[in-house]
Order: sequence, then C-alpha cells, then structure tokens
Amino acid sequence: QSLLTQPPSVSAAPGQKVTFSCSGSSSNIGSNDVSWYQHLPGTAPKLLIYENNKRPSGIPDRFSGSKSGTSATLGITGLQTGDEADYYCGTWDSSLTTVVFGGGTKLTVL
Amino acid sequence: EVQLVESGGGLVQPGGSLRLSCAASGFTFSRYWMSWVRQAPGKGLEWVANIKGDGNERNFVDSVKGRFTISRDNARKSLYLQVDSLRAEDTAVYYCARIEYSSRSFDHWGQGTLVTVSS
Repeated sequence: QSLLTQPPSVSAAPGQKVTFSCSGSSSNIGSNDVSWYQHLPGTAPKLLIYENNKRPSGIPDRFSGSKSGTSATLGITGLQTGDEADYYCGTWDSSLTTVVFGGGTKLTVL
Repeated sequence: EVQLVESGGGLVQPGGSLRLSCAASGFTFSRYWMSWVRQAPGKGLEWVANIKGDGNERNFVDSVKGRFTISRDNARKSLYLQVDSLRAEDTAVYYCARIEYSSRSFDHWGQGTLVTVSS
C-alpha cells in the first residue's frame, strides 16, 4: 500500500487533455516538493516535473504540474499515442525520512 | 549526455547474494547523491537506498536494512548495490538513478537490471 494514492488508470483520446492525481499527507506532499515520472516498462523512467511545477530541459510544455495542500496533479495536453505509459508521483516523507512514490497511473490513449 | 548503465542482475536462489553495478558517465559523478530504485513485477516504483557524493552518508528502506549495502567508487564513476540474504519479494528490476538534491528528484535513470530470486 503506497503512502501516495494514485488512480490505477486513466484514458483519453488523442489531442485531449488528461490529469493525474496524487494524494498524500502532511508528512509528505503537505511539506515537501513533488516530482512526476513517466515510465514505459522495460525502459528508463523519465523525470517530467520537479519541485511541483518545473519542467526539466527537453520536456515539452504539454506537461504541467501543480500542488495544493496534500495533493498534487500532473496534466498533459494534446495527448499523443506516444504518451501511453505509467505515471508516478514521488516526494520525500519527513516522518519516514525516505522517498515515497505513488502506486502509478497507467495512461491509455484511445 | 548523462548515462547510467546497470549490470549484475540475474537468477539467484533465496538466501543468495548478488552485486549490482551502475556505470555513470556524462557528469561529475562525485558531486551527486545516487540511488537505487526497484520495481517488482506488476508493482510500482520503490526507493531502495541512496548514498551521498562522498560516500559518507547512506540511507535504506526498512525492508532491506541489514541485507543490502550501497557503495560507490568515484574514481571509477560507479555505484554498487550488494544484495544479500535475498528473498522472493526482492525480485524486481533495479534502477540506478541520479538525485538532484535540492529538489530530491531523480533526474536521470538507467535502464535497469533484473534480479530474480527463485529456487
């Protein structure tokens, strides 16, 4: 059971917008920055968003992040079939003093 | 270009050991915290361990404490994970990842190496 809660799956059509939710607590999301990762099984995970809403170099502005209280959200606009992957949120937990990840959300682009 | 290449995975019996390696290139290895993250079959990502750039600080997830050891050789730009007393639940793909310390995010990852614990 992950400390960060993500819905197991989400789907949308090409060109549409989709959001991913990540719910935590005061000891993790509530007091630390959130990162988001894209992962196609068998490949290296990729950092999409760090410090809640910042994009690393090379990540298109179709990807966005936000945080409010103990929840965080990843948004993707202009969906492409290549966006099909698992998406994970991650942050530091100040009580456990460990990194924690959500269980991941599988995106299907219909 | 930052590259992280893991090796050393394989099939091992319960109670056995392996040494995982991660060869780093494209950045000043000694300046970065490094980490191991794993993904068990059908499961999500799980942080396993991390180590400071100078090797003087290490942290582990509770489930591997006393069984796994993380180390590094900055001269060889290599990260290691010694995994002992392996259990079936340690079966996973193990990823090497670089930590961007200020944001505590994993900004570069390797492709992973598979560890299978089975008799």
